[in-house]
Amino acid sequence: DAGVTQSPTHLIKTRGQQVTLRCSPKSGHDTVSWYQQALGQGPQFIFQYYEEEERQRGNFPDRFSGHQFPNYSSELNVNALLLGDSALYLCASSRRGVLQPQHFGDGTRLSIL
Amino acid sequence: GQQVMQIPQYQHVQEGEDFTTYCNSSTTLSNIQWYKQRPGGHPVFLIQLVKSGEVKKQKRLTFQFGEAKKNSSLHITATQTTDVGTYFCAGAESYIPTFGRGTSLIVHP
Repeated sequence: DAGVTQSPTHLIKTRGQQVTLRCSPKSGHDTVSWYQQALGQGPQFIFQYYEEEERQRGNFPDRFSGHQFPNYSSELNVNALLLGDSALYLCASSRRGVLQPQHFGDGTRLSIL
Repeated sequence: GQQVMQIPQYQHVQEGEDFTTYCNSSTTLSNIQWYKQRPGGHPVFLIQLVKSGEVKKQKRLTFQFGEAKKNSSLHITATQTTDVGTYFCAGAESYIPTFGRGTSLIVHP
């Protein structure tokens, strides 16, 4: 039973570029959430997708966008990258419901030069 | 907006000592979840508390949810080196989970 898988594991970009991160949820899960975790901080909620639509959004600018596919996998896109976007990006999947336990992937470490 | 504060930020203990981390919210929470993140790893779900005053135990771990549903605690009895990691609480006022900054537990053998 595969858990949450994310790709790539590491990525280096320069300011102004665009990036796409990918996530496959745990088997049986239909809801995907994305988080940004800066060093020494807790994960910060970016948004959540269910039934291919963004359902909830945290306090992140429109440069952060996402998508969910019919097979429940998801992408996180970040445009016009800033130095401050350097962080670990975590994907978490869960069953639909009010705040179900979330299963996290290993994350994508994004570095902006 | 909702804020979740967690203290202490770091805790050093000798193996066998007890450990407690506290989580406080600026607003009443729908529920609270606890996660553990090992160094270099990802958060792993430990438990969810929903009811006011709820207490749950998992072996040496005891979790409490305050009567007002604005605070929570995690207590570990007789710590072991395998308990090393950062413990996060995540509270939700609506459908958006807010994570605390975490408490990093360092256990000295």
